[in-house]
Amino acid sequence: QSALTQPASVSGSPGQSVTISCTGTNGGIATFNLVSWYQQHPGRVPKLIIYEVIKRPSGVSDRFSGSKSGNTASLTISGLQPDDEADYFCCTYALSSPVIFGGGTKLTVL
Amino acid sequence: QVQLQESGPGLVKPSQTLSLTCTISGASMGGGGSFWNWVRQRPGKGLEWIGHIFNRGNTFYSPSLNSRVTISMDSSKNQFFLKLISVDAADTAMYYCAKGIGDPHNYYQFGMDVWGQGTAVTVSS
Repeated sequence: QSALTQPASVSGSPGQSVTISCTGTNGGIATFNLVSWYQQHPGRVPKLIIYEVIKRPSGVSDRFSGSKSGNTASLTISGLQPDDEADYFCCTYALSSPVIFGGGTKLTVL
Repeated sequence: QVQLQESGPGLVKPSQTLSLTCTISGASMGGGGSFWNWVRQRPGKGLEWIGHIFNRGNTFYSPSLNSRVTISMDSSKNQFFLKLISVDAADTAMYYCAKGIGDPHNYYQFGMDVWGQGTAVTVSS
């Protein structure tokens, strides 16, 4: 069982914004700026879309943004597009393990 | 452009050892500035970090797999390796290698920016 909790699913209509939360129980998110987010389309390789809480790798759309507050990190996707439909995983440093993934959130674009 | 490629047997018998290789192109492991990770994904499930190697040989492993896993590297061949002993059906998964960016001197990985295509491993007799 992951120590990072994400909602199993979220949905939104094209053009809308959605936010996916990632809550940690061991203080890792609050203490360290080491949250990253990955997008994975079905049958595809995970793709890094956010690192160090708020940074975007080169080539990632600025429609993706990250933030954190206390023990919860968030990924916001604005101007939803059909291709945003995918699974999203948060990841962070924890005292129990230097890398831990959340359970993943399935985003459906209605 | 950095690329990673996993290789290894697709079928392993229960109780035996799973051994995989990740071959790196477009970057040198010898520089010591990156983390080299193994991540797996069971069918229909989420991502599970297995462990990583960095700084020419430092390793960290997932606590849940620590007793069964070894990650090593051969800088001269630009390869790193995964060995998982005593496998069972629960180890059936897609196995990915991934390059991590971060601060190896302080052991902080910021994220995994390059991934291999993955190799499917089935544990079955």
